[in-house]
Amino acid sequence: RKEVEQDPGPFNVPEGATVAFNCTYSNSASQSFFWYRQDCRKEPKLLMSVYSSGNEDGRFTAQLNRASQYISLLIRDSKLSDSATYLCAVLTSGTYKYIFGTGTRLKVLA
Amino acid sequence: NAGVMQNPRHLVRRRGQEARLRCSPMKGHSHVYWYRQLPEEGLKFMVYLQKENIIDESGMPKERFSAEFPKEGPSILRIQQVVRGDSAAYFCASSQNSGTENGYTFGSGTRLTVV
Repeated sequence: RKEVEQDPGPFNVPEGATVAFNCTYSNSASQSFFWYRQDCRKEPKLLMSVYSSGNEDGRFTAQLNRASQYISLLIRDSKLSDSATYLCAVLTSGTYKYIFGTGTRLKVLA
Repeated sequence: NAGVMQNPRHLVRRRGQEARLRCSPMKGHSHVYWYRQLPEEGLKFMVYLQKENIIDESGMPKERFSAEFPKEGPSILRIQQVVRGDSAAYFCASSQNSGTENGYTFGSGTRLTVV
């Protein structure tokens, strides 16, 4: 089993739709969690951290479920510009190595 | 305040040649992390360096790959005798201290193509 797993997609959604991605992790000692956005042939860019209490940034909401060992990203009112690959990253306590998922592709359609 | 700078952006090498990838960390940062992203795969940790020291190279292939971060100048990831399977995007990130609980900021990457 991979340490961090994501559904590769693609998720094809119409503009204005709400879409959610999950990312599961296997190491219960994982302590920090992040979502990154990666556009085609670009570097991953930090989208948001994921906190235990959940956090929101505009149309984006991230949540952590420690009991089931997954994090989620919810995008409301999808825009064409949201089309990208979304990577989750997990940091295990006492280490500095982020473990990345392979990413979920999102296509927002006009 | 420039971010993490990587060069070249694109690098084409023939099989058997050497590839040198450079990473200049953000100002004031002395910790550098290299990651590799193969086509259709996630980013994989390769090596973590501090100035003049390799802290963790557990993700580096055993042969042909080496990394350094000298006292002066950028960090260098060196791949000798490249093969087609080395074709990938190589990203680096930097931090001020060890422990990066705020997430990485990556450089724009070097895309290596081996022909």
